[in-house]
Amino acid sequence: NAGVTQTPKFRVLKTGQSMTLLCAQDMNHEYMYWYRQDPGMGLRLIHYSVGEGTTAKGEVPDGYNVSRLKKQNFLLGLESAAPSQTSVYFCASRTGSTEAFFGQGTRLTVV
Amino acid sequence: ILNVEQSPQSLHVQEGDSTNFTCSFPSSNFYALHWYRWETAKSPEALFVMTLNGDEKKKGRISATLNTKEGYSYLYIKGSQPEDSATYLCAQPGAGSYQLTFGKGTKLSVIP
Repeated sequence: NAGVTQTPKFRVLKTGQSMTLLCAQDMNHEYMYWYRQDPGMGLRLIHYSVGEGTTAKGEVPDGYNVSRLKKQNFLLGLESAAPSQTSVYFCASRTGSTEAFFGQGTRLTVV
Repeated sequence: ILNVEQSPQSLHVQEGDSTNFTCSFPSSNFYALHWYRWETAKSPEALFVMTLNGDEKKKGRISATLNTKEGYSYLYIKGSQPEDSATYLCAQPGAGSYQLTFGKGTKLSVIP
């Protein structure tokens, strides 16, 4: 019973490089979310999806893109990484009436 | 984006003390209120999902109450233990319950 799985767990990027973070859930949840965690800022919503093929912007979407081609997967892309995107990224999923289940987080450093 | 606020930002208590903290949220168009426990170097885990005004939920020494009319929820920990040390988050689903907006959390440190 894997729940929510994020890959990779750690990554160091150079400024300007691109990468994709993968979130996979096996609970058949409709809603999926990407958050970033920064000191003193709590969890801030980047983008979210309410179903396969749909995405929407959250509180801090600039510099990120997302895709949900399959219901179980939610991808977060950084096209041109910047040091300000150094953070811990969490993926979460849920149904409309339940709590959110989180992945283990991805620690990203942009140098 | 909903405005979910938590207080205090941090709290230090002695082992055995009871404590409580607050989550404030917009009372209009209320759908649900979530509480999560977030230990250092781990992922947040849900404690409670609360939906009805006057709801009270309990899990062991931790309990929560909900007042949707005035827009607040309290989390109580009875007889705090060092293993209760964590950040406690509240979150509110937005209109149509799609977005899930978190407060910044209350960081609890229980001193042995």
